[in-house]
Amino acid sequence: GQQVMQIPQYQHVQEGEDFTTYCNSSTTLSNIQWYKQRPGGHPVFLIQLVKSGEVKKQKRLTFQFGEAKKNSSLHITATQTTDVGTYFCAGYGGSNYKLTFGKGTLLTVNP
Amino acid sequence: DTGVSQDPRHKITKRGQNVTFRCDPISEHNRLYWYRQTLGQGPEFLTYFQNEAQLEKSRLLSDRFSAERPKGSFSTLEIQRTEQGDSAMYLCASSSGTGRGNTIYFGEGSWLTVV
Repeated sequence: GQQVMQIPQYQHVQEGEDFTTYCNSSTTLSNIQWYKQRPGGHPVFLIQLVKSGEVKKQKRLTFQFGEAKKNSSLHITATQTTDVGTYFCAGYGGSNYKLTFGKGTLLTVNP
Repeated sequence: DTGVSQDPRHKITKRGQNVTFRCDPISEHNRLYWYRQTLGQGPEFLTYFQNEAQLEKSRLLSDRFSAERPKGSFSTLEIQRTEQGDSAMYLCASSSGTGRGNTIYFGEGSWLTVV
């Protein structure tokens, strides 16, 4: 079945440093979604990428979808303590309904 | 609050007991999903409803698990004869539309601890 892998599993940064998490799928994705889950919270939708090579920005967050639609990345510029949480990528493979999540990257920020 | 609502938020049960979780999706969302999440893992898909029809079920959902959405609104997830391995957070989510890529809104989850 479809697998979605994320690296790194953990990332600890000093406030102000940049952060990047990478997502790779074993199959081509129709689209990819990114979620953020704060400690003790639930996943919250951040963004969806659909087109090959697509790049989207949300303030300090930059999301990219690979040309082959099998990988994606999330980059945060100048991290803040409010960025703390686990970032998940998720994609639809063969199913129209089943969103497969990666294991996530836990980001901690030292003030 | 008009988000996805789940009840109870926390449940501690003894092994072998049955538990039921309820989910109230965002009003007028025709799609409803159940996911399970354990510590350090991403959410794992369990099942999906479009209106009242259960259209997809994961192999993770053993015969001890059953989900219903009788009137196409709220949904219940029942676990019979609970086992310690069932301890997890059970997440309900909903979305609108018919294609892929609709924004999925998650509830705050129901934490299950089986002792």
